Amino acid sequence: ETGVTQSPTHLIKTRGQQVTLRCSSQSGHNTVSWYQQALGQGPQFIFQYYREEENGRGNFPPRFSGLQFPNYSSELNVNALELDDSALYLCASSLAGRVTNEKLFFGSGTQLSVL
Amino acid sequence: GESVGLHLPTLSVQEGDNSIINCAYSNSASDYFIWYKQESGKGPQFIIDIRSNMDKRQGQRVTVLLNKTVKHLSLQIAATQPGDSAVYFCAEIGGSNYKLTFGKGTLLTVNP
Repeated sequence: ETGVTQSPTHLIKTRGQQVTLRCSSQSGHNTVSWYQQALGQGPQFIFQYYREEENGRGNFPPRFSGLQFPNYSSELNVNALELDDSALYLCASSLAGRVTNEKLFFGSGTQLSVL
Repeated sequence: GESVGLHLPTLSVQEGDNSIINCAYSNSASDYFIWYKQESGKGPQFIIDIRSNMDKRQGQRVTVLLNKTVKHLSLQIAATQPGDSAVYFCAEIGGSNYKLTFGKGTLLTVNP
């Protein structure tokens, strides 16, 4: 167990709806990264939050947004859901904003299905 | 764009054999590489890492080899066990230093 917890574990939404996924980072970790993993693919970086601010973003549209709270937990929000948003969403925590010299600890993910 | 890819999507081995999983990368600026293991229903789990100033690094039953000349990375698992069955990803970090770029993954199946 990594100590990174995500909720919910599974979620079914319909196209056009909005979704919020939640992540609690490992104790002592102040950085949270979100990744999208489509079936049969490697995880793709969405964005990272460090000290409550976005610290980097991948190639995802603005309808993917996030928050980090003072306790370092985080939310991923996706608006106007599309069928292609169906994927496993992974949260990973680390001790510092820079990944170099750090190991990411991943949660088990939220499986989102968009119908 | 830069990417990390794998030569083989699947690998099947007998229990007790050694396994070798390969990975090619294209970003010459990558300076840190990580192998992850992902079991069904779980997130990626760190296995071993290596920096670009090294050619080889060993862990418990695992060895990572890095060939910067041909931009190739491999993971060797000694005495493969059924519990090693999973999808293995290589990942790299380049100049941005805040995100990992993952490859597609190799499914390793260990036959008893």
